[in-house]
Amino acid sequence: DAKTTQPPSMDCAEGRAANLPCNHSTISGNEYVYWYRQIHSQGPQYIIHGLKNNETNEMASLIITEDRKSSTLILPHATLRDTAVYYCIVRVLRSGGSNYKLTFGKGTLLTVNP
Amino acid sequence: EAQVTQNPRYLITVTGKKLTVTCSQNMNHEYMSWYRQDPGLGLRQIYYSMNVEVTDKGDVPEGYKVSRKEKRNFPLILESPSPNQTSLYFCASSFWGGGARETQYFGPGTRLLVL
Repeated sequence: DAKTTQPPSMDCAEGRAANLPCNHSTISGNEYVYWYRQIHSQGPQYIIHGLKNNETNEMASLIITEDRKSSTLILPHATLRDTAVYYCIVRVLRSGGSNYKLTFGKGTLLTVNP
Repeated sequence: EAQVTQNPRYLITVTGKKLTVTCSQNMNHEYMSWYRQDPGLGLRQIYYSMNVEVTDKGDVPEGYKVSRKEKRNFPLILESPSPNQTSLYFCASSFWGGGARETQYFGPGTRLLVL
């Protein structure tokens, strides 16, 4: 799986949009971008994933650049409960065996302030 | 409610005393996996299973065993725990088959302390 680079920490004011960047310059054409988050010591929680097109669900939006070398996760109206470590992961779908795992990096600690 | 459950949530034990951490999912997922999380090292995969009776080693399998006799259960066995297995453990599961079906869902975690 391609490596990802994320800032170690970010701050955001409550109610404002949180924009979390991720660089994945070595991503392959068949690798998807996944975002998970982990609220302190809880199990990682799936947020969103995409391949080429921008994606939106009830939690967030994912913007992937045209060259696919970077992406941004957008939480449109951050709340205090969104304070967590956010992980950007790239992986190939339908890969078997050991390639099926999620490789978590250090992620970005997002702190939402009142 | 679709979920992955783990038991126990917290466990303190002594070196050498065999223990089992259970993992169960109610989503009929084929794939199940165990991770451990340690400060500064992130989440690392211990073992995984692509389906019933199909298991394989992850990145850090030493000192652990698993079994997959039923689709819903994937217990993690520590035959002779040692202090370096003190960690936070997560079980995860997903379908296998492309797209959103491959989203992995995680359990709440088991915090283990080996004295």
